[in-house]
Amino acid sequence: SAVISQKPSRDICQRGTSLTIQCQVDSQVTMMFWYRQQPGQSLTLIATANQGSEATYESGFVIDKFPISRPNLTFSTLTVSNMSPEDSSIYLCSASAGGNQPQHFGDGTRLSIL
Amino acid sequence: SQQGEEDPQALSIQEGENATMNCSYKTSINNLQWYRQNSGRGLVHLILIRSNEREKHSGRLRVTLDTSKKSSSLLITASRAADTASYFCATPTGANSKLTFGKGITLSVRP
Repeated sequence: SAVISQKPSRDICQRGTSLTIQCQVDSQVTMMFWYRQQPGQSLTLIATANQGSEATYESGFVIDKFPISRPNLTFSTLTVSNMSPEDSSIYLCSASAGGNQPQHFGDGTRLSIL
Repeated sequence: SQQGEEDPQALSIQEGENATMNCSYKTSINNLQWYRQNSGRGLVHLILIRSNEREKHSGRLRVTLDTSKKSSSLLITASRAADTASYFCATPTGANSKLTFGKGITLSVRP
């Protein structure tokens, strides 16, 4: 199964600033996704990171707030822009070969905004 | 809306006992996946069961799938304190197989 490295693992940020989270997969994968998990909640999909094109965002998430890049089949970044305390969450990257293959997750980035 | 809904929401058992967690979903699926999340960590994939499978085993884990009832169960046998975690079921939807997660079950195994 794919091994996914995500960094930073945690950060404390000031409101109004932006943070970029990196996700590296150890093998080429078809699909990469970004999820948010608010405290005590389940995971909510932010967007599908598409290689070489704009990400596909879910309802309630916009590119200006969560710009995503995926320059190749093994790497993606998520930026959380103009952060507010409501953005305090765990952000998780996942990857899959698609079809009936499982998604594998990184350890997540625990983000706190003061 | 949630595709998968687990029950119970919380489960506390003694070490050595079995733990059964249930998941229901709403639409037709190609597969259903179970994940474990230790506190504050990423998700670990446990088992994927395809829609044409009824039961699957992996070590102390047994997953069943009943597509007629749109439900799945995860059984952990001979539980250990290290099994304490949150467990999620998830189903892929759409052409890109994005996952929709249930709310999760918090399992506590008392030593």
